[in-house]
Amino acid sequence: EVQLEESGGGLVQPGGSLRLSCAASGFTFSSYWMSWVRQAPGKGLEWVANIKQDGSEKFYVDSVKGRFTISRDNAKTSLYLEMNSLRAEDTAVYYCARESSLLYRSGWYFWFDPWGQGTLVTVSS
Amino acid sequence: DIQMTQSPSSLSASVGDRVTITCRASQSISSYLNWYQQKPGKAPKLLIYAASSLQGGVPSRFSGSGSGTDFTLTISSLQPEDFAIYYCQQSYDTPRTFGQGTKLEIK
Repeated sequence: EVQLEESGGGLVQPGGSLRLSCAASGFTFSSYWMSWVRQAPGKGLEWVANIKQDGSEKFYVDSVKGRFTISRDNAKTSLYLEMNSLRAEDTAVYYCARESSLLYRSGWYFWFDPWGQGTLVTVSS
Repeated sequence: DIQMTQSPSSLSASVGDRVTITCRASQSISSYLNWYQQKPGKAPKLLIYAASSLQGGVPSRFSGSGSGTDFTLTISSLQPEDFAIYYCQQSYDTPRTFGQGTKLEIK
């Protein structure tokens, strides 16, 4: 069974740091792009960052650039999100998601499936 | 960034109704459009990828269509378990962006 399980969330003060982890199982982790997606309380979904299979390419939403770092350890089949200089607006449930893909008519189609159950990060004093 | 706009933001319907949710992109995204369903306290679940391909295990009452800038998700006959929030998402470019969501409620 394909599974993703996040951990590392919690309460942190503004300006603090936190490291999220996502343990993957049931699929060849090293063959997939992986992403972090967050959801603030009562709000919609926001993509945060993604990372290529070998870690050579990483992309971020503008609001976290320079503060968050995505990484992966293919030997441990794990994805990470290092979050620094946290702000109140970073409060959210953070999901890790596999980016499944399909090559069709010379274009790569990507989608998020599956998702983990999420871990809550609360930034508050 | 590509902006995704869903309409309506909320919708009341009855079991057995046919429902259509619309998603519009701020620029052409070909067929790089996915749909997700999210129930309270749960992670989103993929329904449709590449605009019209049904994810395995998803009931056939769900269907997607469109290309370019305008897309629709249709539920042919609403079931009690379909009341949830639905999101579209583009994968044409980075950053990946989602619509604001459509909350489907019981009438």
